[in-house]
Amino acid sequence: QPVLTQSSSASASLGSSVKFTCTLSSGHSSYIIAWHQQQPGKAPRYLMKLEGSGSFNKGSGVSDRFSGSGSGADRHLTISNLQSEDEADYYCETWETNTRVFGGGTKLTVL
Amino acid sequence: EVRLLESGGGLVQPGGSLRLSCAASGFPFSTYAMVWVRQAPGQGLEWVSSISVSGADTYYADSVKGRFTISRDNSKNTLCLQMNSLRAEDTAVYYCARHVVAAGCDSWGQGTLVTVSS
Repeated sequence: QPVLTQSSSASASLGSSVKFTCTLSSGHSSYIIAWHQQQPGKAPRYLMKLEGSGSFNKGSGVSDRFSGSGSGADRHLTISNLQSEDEADYYCETWETNTRVFGGGTKLTVL
Repeated sequence: EVRLLESGGGLVQPGGSLRLSCAASGFPFSTYAMVWVRQAPGQGLEWVSSISVSGADTYYADSVKGRFTISRDNSKNTLCLQMNSLRAEDTAVYYCARHVVAAGCDSWGQGTLVTVSS
């Protein structure tokens, strides 16, 4: 089954941009992934799906400040013009018929 | 508006049982696969179980296989998770989520806390 690898933490300043990476394990680089945001004390929130081509489709109501990109095994989530409410954990997800897999999550601190 | 509302969490002793429910509304429940995901205190998200549209196909993480049973009632727009032989390591917030083909878990409930402790 696939494995998703994420950095454990990141930090960036208010108004700047930050880019997260989610890396798919060998043999799974063509898989679609999804990105989720989890603010402190809240349930996860779906941000987007992201294909291997870099094409992405965002969920309903997701800000234009969020975008996806990537190629091969590396998939990225970029947040531009960082706001305080963006401070959260960010998880990537992928799946096969009989399983779902989440990355370990990246904790974003907004300075 | 898609709504998923979990219930049934609480405190249970090791070895005990608990049944979680997830009431769905705002979308055609019978046309979506559904998923349970949990999050232990201070930890990341962990997939627990999935069920197909009809309920005929079910899948489990190795950590819960043989102890948990997922089911759905499409006539009542309800997803359930029967949890038996509970262990301390099952302590977590349990979320139900809607899974969209080729898009992932696109809607989440607010979660219900399960605490396994003597």
